[in-house]
Amino acid sequence: KQEVTQIPAALSVPEGENLVLNCSFTDSAIYNLQWFRQDPGKGLTSLLLIQSSQREQTSGRLNASLDKSSGRSTLYIAASQPGDSATYLCAVSNFGNEKLTFGTGTRLTIIP
Amino acid sequence: KAGVTQTPRYLIKTRGQQVTLSCSPISGHRSVSWYQQTPGQGLQFLFEYFSETQRNKGNFPGRFSGRQFSNSRSEMNVSTLELGDSALYLCASSLVVGPQETQYFGPGTRLLVL
Repeated sequence: KQEVTQIPAALSVPEGENLVLNCSFTDSAIYNLQWFRQDPGKGLTSLLLIQSSQREQTSGRLNASLDKSSGRSTLYIAASQPGDSATYLCAVSNFGNEKLTFGTGTRLTIIP
Repeated sequence: KAGVTQTPRYLIKTRGQQVTLSCSPISGHRSVSWYQQTPGQGLQFLFEYFSETQRNKGNFPGRFSGRQFSNSRSEMNVSTLELGDSALYLCASSLVVGPQETQYFGPGTRLLVL
């Protein structure tokens, strides 16, 4: 059974700093991994999707990496802004099991 | 292009009642998945529909059911509501079945069971 863990559960950093969010998963036979953000009381917004054959994906100030062999992914946010404050969730899909398994999320607060 | 829409956005029910939630996917998307989000359990997969057929089902009791119509709109139904069913219910749509592509989520329906 796939299990996804995100540490830390909460993180506060001053505006302008670069930061890294971590995601780990137990079953490396994944199809892909996605990073989402969720604002309070809202749905999920997809940030990046990394296929199992890829090592990283970039979108603007965001960079996500994937290391399947170690069961880890990181989301790097450069030059953080107050608008980046949200909960960030990673989710994986496994071959033969067409659903997303989500981590518990990291609640990020950017301090102006 | 309009995003995924869910109705109603908020709902209050009492134990024992039943509820129906609706999800309209992005135009052209044929796959709709449903998730339950609670503070204790996080996001958990309920089921996925593609072309009116249930393709995958999570580990939830039979009180949770769903269907998809020919226009890809989907409904989920929860019968005999329990306090523990209070949650944010999210639906997501994609072009194809399974999470091979980006899943687009709706804003969710927040259900409170009293």
